[in-house]
Amino acid sequence: DIQMTQSPSSLSASVGDRVTITCRASQSIIAYLNWYQQKQGKAPKLLIYAASRLQSGVPSRFSGSGSGTDFTLTISSLQPEDFATYYCQQSYSPPVTFGGGTKVEIK
Amino acid sequence: QVQLVQSGAEVKKPGASVKVSCKASGYTFTTYAMHWVRQAPGQRLEWMGSINAGIGDTKYSQKIKGRGTMTWDTSATTAYMELSSLRSEDTAVYYCASGLNWDFDYWGQGTLVTVSS
Repeated sequence: DIQMTQSPSSLSASVGDRVTITCRASQSIIAYLNWYQQKQGKAPKLLIYAASRLQSGVPSRFSGSGSGTDFTLTISSLQPEDFATYYCQQSYSPPVTFGGGTKVEIK
Repeated sequence: QVQLVQSGAEVKKPGASVKVSCKASGYTFTTYAMHWVRQAPGQRLEWMGSINAGIGDTKYSQKIKGRGTMTWDTSATTAYMELSSLRSEDTAVYYCASGLNWDFDYWGQGTLVTVSS
């Protein structure tokens, strides 16, 4: 199975901050990488697919980049509604696997 | 719009079985595969398996193979996930999720399954 490692596992930031989360795959997944946002007690929501493509309806402050084994999710200006846990997921090869999550908290 | 509505919370004893349902609406049921993903308390999301009603195919993770059964009723546009020989480690929120290929665009609201003696 492909292992997905996210860092950091948590971070504290203020409204308006630029936030970057990284995800590393144990082998090349080309660009088969998705990002999800999960709020407490809710189902995950797809934000970014194919490493850099913004899902319909997702604000443009979210962006994704990377290829091969290293990927990043960037929130250009953190908003109050962005405080949540973010997960990466490889969709290159079943079984699909998820990263351990990054919890974004209010500073 | 696409909606996935799951059955309610369950409490089961170790060794028992549980069956969770997921009713889909807003799209042709056979267009997308239906996946099952679970999340144990404080843990990462874990893909359990999927069904593709369009081609009659099922896939299971190695972890639940032999204990998990995924089925569907096309006429009812409902998918089912049954897990047998439950143990405490199966306590989790179980989600159905669907979308194109392995991108999970749509999610059910989740079903909490608690395994406790």
